[in-house]
Amino acid sequence: AQSVTQPDIHITVSEGASLELRCNYSYGATPYLFWYVQSPGQGLQLLLKYFSGDTLVQGIKGFEAEFKRSQSSFNLRKPSVHWSDAAEYFCAVGVNAGNMLTFGGGTRLMVKP
Amino acid sequence: EAGVAQSPRYKIIEKRQSVAFWCNPISGHATLYWYQQILGQGPKLLIQFQNNGVVDDSQLPKDRFSAERLKGVDSTLKIQPAKLEDSAVYLCASSLAGTGAAYGYTFGSGTRLTVV
Repeated sequence: AQSVTQPDIHITVSEGASLELRCNYSYGATPYLFWYVQSPGQGLQLLLKYFSGDTLVQGIKGFEAEFKRSQSSFNLRKPSVHWSDAAEYFCAVGVNAGNMLTFGGGTRLMVKP
Repeated sequence: EAGVAQSPRYKIIEKRQSVAFWCNPISGHATLYWYQQILGQGPKLLIQFQNNGVVDDSQLPKDRFSAERLKGVDSTLKIQPAKLEDSAVYLCASSLAGTGAAYGYTFGSGTRLTVV
């Protein structure tokens, strides 16, 4: 069965600094990969997704993620963090088009002024 | 398009009581999912429906949890009797048939359940 690990439970960055959130997955083939963001009291919003093609994918709100097959990773990045980016971020994996998604434990991002 | 609607937003019940949550997916979305998100954890799938049939309920605690989607549209998730460890946010999501993992889901805002 597939699994997802987000090694960092909490990350704090200063506003304007760059950000990288880590995600590692376990699956024998290339899965469908996703990043979601969850603001307090809200549902999950899709930031970006990857299945094939260019390994660097662009998402909403200025986020991007890079798929690295050799490292089984799909890390999320943003060049300059805004205070409104403070939220919880979840990486998720699916193994076929109609299947359910398995989520990681999440990384809580805090932004210092 | 309207999003995934869930109600109620919040519910507080005593242990051993019963509770029900309602979800209305995006129009035309044949696949519906219920996830449980315990505080500090990622969402965990409870049950997946395709139209009114169950695709996967392997992680649903069937001794106390039940779910139905009788007409292939709205869905209800019930807990009876509730335990303290059921305190969580219950998220409903939907997707077009056969595309959940290809395009991702659309989530509702969730129902926060507190069992005291």
